[in-house]
Amino acid sequence: DAGITQSPRHKVTETGTPVTLRCHQTENHRYMYWYRQDPGHGLRLIHYSYGVKDTDKGEVSDGYSVSRSKTEDFLLTLESATSSQTSVYFCAISPGGEQAFFGQGTRLTVV
Amino acid sequence: GNSVTQMEGPVTLSEEAFLTINCTYTATGYPSLFWYVQYPGEGLQLLLKATKADDKGSNKGFEATYRKETTSFHLEKGSVQVSDSAVYFCAWNSGNTPLVFGKGTRLSVIA
Repeated sequence: DAGITQSPRHKVTETGTPVTLRCHQTENHRYMYWYRQDPGHGLRLIHYSYGVKDTDKGEVSDGYSVSRSKTEDFLLTLESATSSQTSVYFCAISPGGEQAFFGQGTRLTVV
Repeated sequence: GNSVTQMEGPVTLSEEAFLTINCTYTATGYPSLFWYVQYPGEGLQLLLKATKADDKGSNKGFEATYRKETTSFHLEKGSVQVSDSAVYFCAWNSGNTPLVFGKGTRLSVIA
């Protein structure tokens, strides 16, 4: 494993509640990413970070925010969860350029 | 826009059959190309990659050749095993940009 831990691994939450997912790395990689995986859509980029306090939006960023106050942690927040945000969320890290390493995923269900 | 198109699944093969999963990409410049594999209940892991035209990536009996003239990176394996059952994702990036993924192709290999 590439030293990536996602937490929680599973979560059920109610519509309208805030939710924060955490990605923690021990590799000191500069780049971190949040993707969501949905049937028929593959993986779609939500947000990414090029370094501490340096983040940018991906193709499906609406309803999500991120923060990176330390190199090792990248937090994804759903300010007010909706059923359309039920998904499997993957964090990935990269030293730069090419290969990315993925976490085990967080399965989020919004009821 | 930038994208990856890979063949629809699911693909069901008998053990020892020949596998091809087609992938074409739309990207500017000279992207790096990847195949990732996702086993049930796990995150994605890199299967192989190629970083310039005519390069061949290979791993675990899988191969793919970077064809710039046809913007393709088809995945092949001469003799599949039951343990190859998984979802396969084609992807590309350029420099430090985030990976862009196809929708994935589910492969089932039956004994």
